[in-house]
Amino acid sequence: ETGVTQTPRHLVMGMTNKKSLKCEQHLGHNAMYWYKQSAKKPLELMFVYNFKEQTENNSVPSRFSPECPNSSHLFLHLHTLQPEDSALYLCASSPGDWEYGYTFGSGTRLTVV
Amino acid sequence: TQLLEQSPQFLSIQEGENLTVYCNSSSVFSSLQWYRQEPGEGPVLLVTVVTGGEVKKLKRLTFQFGDARKDSSLHITAAQTGDTGLYLCAGAGYNAGNMLTFGGGTRLMVKP
Repeated sequence: ETGVTQTPRHLVMGMTNKKSLKCEQHLGHNAMYWYKQSAKKPLELMFVYNFKEQTENNSVPSRFSPECPNSSHLFLHLHTLQPEDSALYLCASSPGDWEYGYTFGSGTRLTVV
Repeated sequence: TQLLEQSPQFLSIQEGENLTVYCNSSSVFSSLQWYRQEPGEGPVLLVTVVTGGEVKKLKRLTFQFGDARKDSSLHITAAQTGDTGLYLCAGAGYNAGNMLTFGGGTRLMVKP
């Protein structure tokens, strides 16, 4: 247990479904991140929240919609996904100072069918 | 855009062997971090190097930051099966705040 909890661990969804990924941290960190990890590709930054405010949207398609209701929780709402969106979705948090690094969750393995 | 290239992409060795993996960029970073990711888990921070030329040791792992702060290496002595995983380097750019740029990773397999 790293201190960042992601649920569910695995998710299979159809292209017309709507689902949400959840991330929770009680480390007192100010920043939270969503990353996509696909096979044979580097980690792709999707969204960044600092103090609940979105500070980065890395040209992510609108079928991915983030939500950060407070500094401890982060959601990724999914709708009308494509098979190429199948990947490991990682949530991370940091205290706002890069020197301490990111604390990652275990990820949600998403399969779009 | 700052890019980090890691080499080799894949490495398969026998237990007890030594190895070195590399992280290179044409950009200068204020610091660099190394993470290890085991199957089914998220990456875990191993070390942060900050000063050009800095060397840090973590048991059998030795990390070095290049003098020009553009590259880094990770050397593992007498690899063990527990070292198996994906090794990621991540750089913090100047004026990038808390944003990190990740390399593509080196996938290491240590066979018994």
